[in-house]
Amino acid sequence: DVKVTQSSRYLVKRTGEKVFLECVQDMDHENMFWYRQDPGLGLRLIYFSYDVKMKEKGDIPEGYSVSREKKERFSLILESASTNQTSMYLCASSSSLTGTSQETQYFGPGTRLLVL
Amino acid sequence: QKEVEQDPGPLSVPEGAIVSLNCTYSNSAFQYFMWYRQYSRKGPELLMYTYSSGNKEDGRFTAQVDKSSKYISLFIRDSQPSDSATYLCAMSYGNNRLAFGKGNQVVVIP
Repeated sequence: DVKVTQSSRYLVKRTGEKVFLECVQDMDHENMFWYRQDPGLGLRLIYFSYDVKMKEKGDIPEGYSVSREKKERFSLILESASTNQTSMYLCASSSSLTGTSQETQYFGPGTRLLVL
Repeated sequence: QKEVEQDPGPLSVPEGAIVSLNCTYSNSAFQYFMWYRQYSRKGPELLMYTYSSGNKEDGRFTAQVDKSSKYISLFIRDSQPSDSATYLCAMSYGNNRLAFGKGNQVVVIP
């Protein structure tokens, strides 16, 4: 079974704080993703990475950065948290190999972040 | 026009009814189609995966893809209260990125 874990389920931070969200997957997947999910807006891609030290901007990268130093770990960084970054953050991973479940992404449990 | 359109609902049905969910899309290059189920305050989990056109059945769940109409469906037979969740459609043309619908909240009433 694919397992994607996220460092925190719930997090409360103050405006202006630097926030680190960590994600670890155990399936040796090449691709990792960070999304945020908001009511009425659905899932929006923040950043993704298709290899160690590689990253690409998603649809809403402003105010975020990422780090991927090891294949299994992908971190999302909020440089200076703001109230409009209060959201559910979801990490996902997928394999680049072709096969029966090509393109399938496997999600972690999510981190609910509240910025006060 | 959004790439993937999914009516957000919510949809309430009595236990035992058939649930019918659908998504339309605009990109004819999509060929990998997925349905995810997401329980409240949890991450999405893969429910059904279909490559290209056709039907796929897994227990009480059936996924259909009609590429000519750019339309995918998910049917849940004999719905149970445990099926109450948000269902998201997702699709890709092979670029390792998924385009998601906004999700459809389903409530199965005992």
